[in-house]
Amino acid sequence: DVQLVESGGGLVKPGGSLRLSCAASGFSFSAYAMNWVRQAPGKGLEWVSSIGSGNDKYYAASVRGRFTISRDNAKNSLYLQMNSLSAEDTAVYYCAGEPGNSYFLHWGQGTLVTVSS
Amino acid sequence: QSVLTQPPSVSAAPRQKVTISCSGSTSNIGINYVCWYQQLPGTAPKLIIYEDYKRPSGIPDRFSASKSGTSATLDITGLQTGDEADYYCKTWDSSLSGKVFGGGTKLTVL
Repeated sequence: DVQLVESGGGLVKPGGSLRLSCAASGFSFSAYAMNWVRQAPGKGLEWVSSIGSGNDKYYAASVRGRFTISRDNAKNSLYLQMNSLSAEDTAVYYCAGEPGNSYFLHWGQGTLVTVSS
Repeated sequence: QSVLTQPPSVSAAPRQKVTISCSGSTSNIGINYVCWYQQLPGTAPKLIIYEDYKRPSGIPDRFSASKSGTSATLDITGLQTGDEADYYCKTWDSSLSGKVFGGGTKLTVL
């Protein structure tokens, strides 16, 4: 069975940092592009960042320069380093696997990040 | 303000049909594939349509989609109460060099 399990969420103060992880299993992780998508409380989905199978990286304008996406194919893991966090970054963060042509086939259950003093 | 525009809500009775629209531009829907996600309350999103009109394995043919110009449409026929969810369109925006979601549409089955 395909599984994506996010971890690393929690409460952090404004200006702080957090590193999210996503452990993948059940599919060919190295062949997939991987993404982070977030959803603020009561709001819609927002794409955050993606990393291709060739390690090409893309970021939403709202996080560019503050967030860094990375992957470790040997560990079947995806990461998101989040710096300079603000209340606007409070959301459930999902990792999502993309087999091709920009569609997210596999999703994790999400991890909640709360930025508050 | 989303790059892709969806109606905030739609509703219809059981067994009826509903259509959800997604309006974009020549830098996104006009030249890139559209996909659709269903998000049931309290759960992660689920892919229901990819590459404009294709259904992943396990998605019933009650769900169909199309695209014309800079707009896309999701049709759901034979509505069931279990279809009550938020629906999101998504595509790549070549001007932004990023993926963009519509604002989401809440479907209520009356």
